[in-house]
Amino acid sequence: DGGITQSPKYLFRKEGQNVTLSCEQNLNHDAMYWYRQDPGQGLRLIYYSQIVNDFQKGDIAEGYSVSREKKESFPLTVTSAQKNPTAFYLCASTADRPGTEAFFGQGTRLTVV
Amino acid sequence: EDKVVQSPLSLVVHEGDTVTLNCSYEVTNFRSLLWYKQEKKAPTFLFMLTSSGIEKKSGRLSSILDKKELSSILNITATQTGDSAIYLCAPASGTYKYIFGTGTRLKVLA
Repeated sequence: DGGITQSPKYLFRKEGQNVTLSCEQNLNHDAMYWYRQDPGQGLRLIYYSQIVNDFQKGDIAEGYSVSREKKESFPLTVTSAQKNPTAFYLCASTADRPGTEAFFGQGTRLTVV
Repeated sequence: EDKVVQSPLSLVVHEGDTVTLNCSYEVTNFRSLLWYKQEKKAPTFLFMLTSSGIEKKSGRLSSILDKKELSSILNITATQTGDSAIYLCAPASGTYKYIFGTGTRLKVLA
């Protein structure tokens, strides 16, 4: 079945460490996205990528980095520069036409300990 | 700058009530407006609206877009406890930048 797989589901990080969240899709979608969600809040866009080897900053990119070396994969690194990284992170993808439905992974809950 | 505002931010109703959720947007080169329901983890798709004034329905849920007013509403009739969730709207533009609203948190009491 086609879909988006995020791993791990839960992640604990010590302060000062970088961590990488995985996002893989087999929907053959060109565009991929990373969102952050804080408790009781909506989704805030971190980074998005329209095609391989290209990505753009969203509204809250500071302290995060991404890469898009393969169409299927869009990993997110939460760096030590992100001051408040504890949150729920969602990855999404859309087909190659703007304005179409976005499909979501099940999310990764990151906690700084 | 693209903007999305949802109201109310939260809502508590009793089973059987009807609710109306609002979404106002400002985006460049608007293409469509998407509604999602989020219960625990991944948001699930409800509706995609592209044409003004045409209502989309799915069971007790319905939604309509007003391009002139740059807004959309989501109606839920005869609410049930299973409708408790965060409802998110996202206007999609001609770019690939999908921005979501802050969401409306709905709680339905038995």
